[in-house]
Amino acid sequence: DAGVIQSPRHEVTEMGQEVTLRCKPISGHNSLFWYRQTMMRGLELLIYFNNNVPIDDSGMPEDRFSAKMPNASFSTLKIQPSEPRDSAVYFCASSLILAGGGETQYFGPGTRLLVL
Amino acid sequence: SQQGEEDPQALSIQEGENATMNCSYKTSINNLQWYRQNSGRGLVHLILIRSNEREKHSGRLRVTLDTSKKSSSLLITASRAADTASYFCAPSQGAQKLVFGQGTRLTINP
Repeated sequence: DAGVIQSPRHEVTEMGQEVTLRCKPISGHNSLFWYRQTMMRGLELLIYFNNNVPIDDSGMPEDRFSAKMPNASFSTLKIQPSEPRDSAVYFCASSLILAGGGETQYFGPGTRLLVL
Repeated sequence: SQQGEEDPQALSIQEGENATMNCSYKTSINNLQWYRQNSGRGLVHLILIRSNEREKHSGRLRVTLDTSKKSSSLLITASRAADTASYFCAPSQGAQKLVFGQGTRLTINP
């Protein structure tokens, strides 16, 4: 398996522009997580999906952020409009959640976003 | 979900020495996981220890769990330069999501 795939790997954009980050989870996994990592705030969970349904989006900073998972093999995280404070590394992770939860997560390589 | 707190925040040792990192948490758990993050990369799962286990080994890694003290430790023996990374613990009560702390930044000096 190729692991979790994220694109683009790097993104530089100007304030006010729309940014779309993409993620392909590991085949067969039923849960997908979006994280954001900065030096100041560490690794923050933004939102996660189970069986393509958003379960917890309490970490989404504001309405400028939205995430979708139209099918089991694809998810997007969109920022519109982007702001300099959104600059961070965004990670996608997937997992096969069983009844008990707390299973291993597999992380993608991340998208490094810089908003000028 | 609960967050683990790693200690120390940073650790610098000589190559070949052993490195020990600790994790504390607040409530009962089903399992606890340790992850490693190399600079600029995503987190990589290292080991999972369940609440009914006290110790687990994987290669040069040794993890202990003390549920009475609500703490875990990760020992890396015979450290190598490639072990330089940040290490995170993730205690889980069985919730689907994991919450990560600030991690321990480990530096192995040649």
